[in-house]
Amino acid sequence: QQQVKQSPQSLIVQKGGISIINCAYENTAFDYFPWYQQFPGKGPALLIAIRPDVSEKKEGRFTISFNKSAKQFSLHIMDSQPGDSATYFCAAKMDSSYKLIFGSGTRLLVRP
Amino acid sequence: NAGVTQTPKFQVLKTGQSMTLQCAQDMNHEYMSWYRQDPGMGLRLIHYSVGAGITDQGEVPNGYNVSRSTTEDFPLRLLSAAPSQTSVYFCASSTRPGGLATNEKLFFGSGTQLSVL
Repeated sequence: QQQVKQSPQSLIVQKGGISIINCAYENTAFDYFPWYQQFPGKGPALLIAIRPDVSEKKEGRFTISFNKSAKQFSLHIMDSQPGDSATYFCAAKMDSSYKLIFGSGTRLLVRP
Repeated sequence: NAGVTQTPKFQVLKTGQSMTLQCAQDMNHEYMSWYRQDPGMGLRLIHYSVGAGITDQGEVPNGYNVSRSTTEDFPLRLLSAAPSQTSVYFCASSTRPGGLATNEKLFFGSGTQLSVL
């Protein structure tokens, strides 16, 4: 049973465009939703995170949108740049838990 | 500032062989974990530890053993390697859980690419 479902599997965007990655979760007890960014040959690194009591969080060109009733959240990358080309993972867990459940990942390619 | 160090970076094993993947962190984190990354499957938790002497199973623990004798080290042992264990393995350490309230953050090593023939 996949607790966090992520789509699309891959995404190609032109430089300056908007990249959108979507995730859906099943466990309503989850209350912490981070996004991790992974460059080739490296481990993932925390990009941005949100709690379900907030509908949107923005950090620079990266925005998380959260829809609690639909149990969905998404990452928007505005003005996408070739340097944003990486694999992005959504994740979820309960605040008090150590177990972070990851989505299947989205490979983003931003063309110059 | 080394962070999380994994060795080796690459390893090729024959079916049935055993080996240990090493992981060390220098951030004095209580929590450490092992994930495997497979195409289309994301990162799946194998085992984790919340402190020296305390370990527990994650989502996919079969075929793997762990121990935590010190805060710094968390080795992962493959008892009898199988082709299904071909994967990229990541070790991670973390600050205390608590989400945004504690600025929780997983710090990953750079991974071990393992092939089992």
